[in-house]
Amino acid sequence: QKEVEQNSGPLSVPEGAIASLNCTYSDRGSQSFFWYRQYSGKSPELIMFIYSNGDKEDGRFTAQLNKASQYVSLLIRDSQPSDSATYLCAVNGQAGTALIFGKGTTLSVSS
Amino acid sequence: DAGITQSPRYKITETGRQVTLMCHQTWSHSYMFWYRQDLGHGLRLIYYSAAADITDKGEVPDGYVVSRSKTENFPLTLESATRSQTSVYFCASSNAGLATTDTQYFGPGTRLTVL
Repeated sequence: QKEVEQNSGPLSVPEGAIASLNCTYSDRGSQSFFWYRQYSGKSPELIMFIYSNGDKEDGRFTAQLNKASQYVSLLIRDSQPSDSATYLCAVNGQAGTALIFGKGTTLSVSS
Repeated sequence: DAGITQSPRYKITETGRQVTLMCHQTWSHSYMFWYRQDLGHGLRLIYYSAAADITDKGEVPDGYVVSRSKTENFPLTLESATRSQTSVYFCASSNAGLATTDTQYFGPGTRLTVL
């Protein structure tokens, strides 16, 4: 059974701080890694994807991938109250197959 | 650009009734997916489809039926609804397999309550 694990949280950070969200996965053959944000009562929306080891930056968001350790993380710099949501990590082993989602980490940013 | 839509958005039904949830996408994506989301379980895949007339089971397919006669539509039917099928259902689509990112785009969801 392929698994994706996330700390459920809640992770609480003050406004302006860096929020660090972590995810581990069990399938060493996984190739694609995604971070989705889900506001309460809404559908998941894609924030970032990453394929290669290392860091990928997009605005205030940085995804980090370490395939040897089988973990992927998401850093949110200068956290804003509007970043308060549940963040879902998703992993794909092969092109065209379904994503496997973690249960999500709830982030709360206080002003 | 309508993207991906689901209907109905909210549905209340009774145990034993048949219910069909609709999903429609305007991107001509080849892949479509149905998930259910429950507290404590996260998103779980019910069925997915790689193309018209091609479907496959996901993690929790029991009690559900899908069809895909047209690329843009992927209805999900609960043949005889049970209380355990009370959930939020999300449809998603992607262009996986065409040298893209396999990114899945989600519809707004259908909140189903089975009494």
